[in-house]
Amino acid sequence: AQSVAQPEDQVNVAEGNPLTVKCTYSVSGNPYLFWYVQYPNRGLQFLLKYITGDNLVKGSYGFEAEFNKSQTSFHLKKPSALVSDSALYFCAVRDPGRDDKIIFGKGTRLHILP
Amino acid sequence: GAVVSQHPSRVICKSGTSVKIECRSLDFQATTMFWYRQFPKQSLMLMATSNEGSKATYEQGVEKDKFLINHASLTLSTLTVTSAHPEDSSFYICSARNGRETQYFGPGTRLLVL
Repeated sequence: AQSVAQPEDQVNVAEGNPLTVKCTYSVSGNPYLFWYVQYPNRGLQFLLKYITGDNLVKGSYGFEAEFNKSQTSFHLKKPSALVSDSALYFCAVRDPGRDDKIIFGKGTRLHILP
Repeated sequence: GAVVSQHPSRVICKSGTSVKIECRSLDFQATTMFWYRQFPKQSLMLMATSNEGSKATYEQGVEKDKFLINHASLTLSTLTVTSAHPEDSSFYICSARNGRETQYFGPGTRLLVL
């Protein structure tokens, strides 16, 4: 069965420092991987995805993520954090060969400290 | 990027009444739409998947007679919470997918049943 793990409930980073939000996954086939961000009382905004090709994926708002097949990871990164990056981040995976739906991690709350 | 709207954004109703939530893909045709429920400080729980013109597929534990889903066109899906009770109070989020890859999410509907 497919699954996603976000091991950190919360990540605190000082403004201007690099940030990493961790995600590992488990699927039987080749995964589609996604990152979404949620601001309070709002839906999810798409940040980036990995489908195939270059392992380093660049997305919205300066975020990027690296697909690492051997470690089954898809960590979200940004070189320099902004206070406005504070939000709830969800990693998601889909096994297109098996299922029509994506599975979400539990979410990681990112706090950027001014 | 693709835009998904939801209406209403917030609704308060009396116990026993029915509430309809609309989800529209504004600038693309969505062959598949998804309905999620999110409890405070938790991840999204998939309720059902609907394909245009066919019956929705409900996740285990979700009552199809309680949560009626209609996907009548490629740009509109509706979720009707029938005979709502306080335990149905939640944040409901729809999502739409164009093609096979990325899901785009609506802004969510906050339902409060008194």
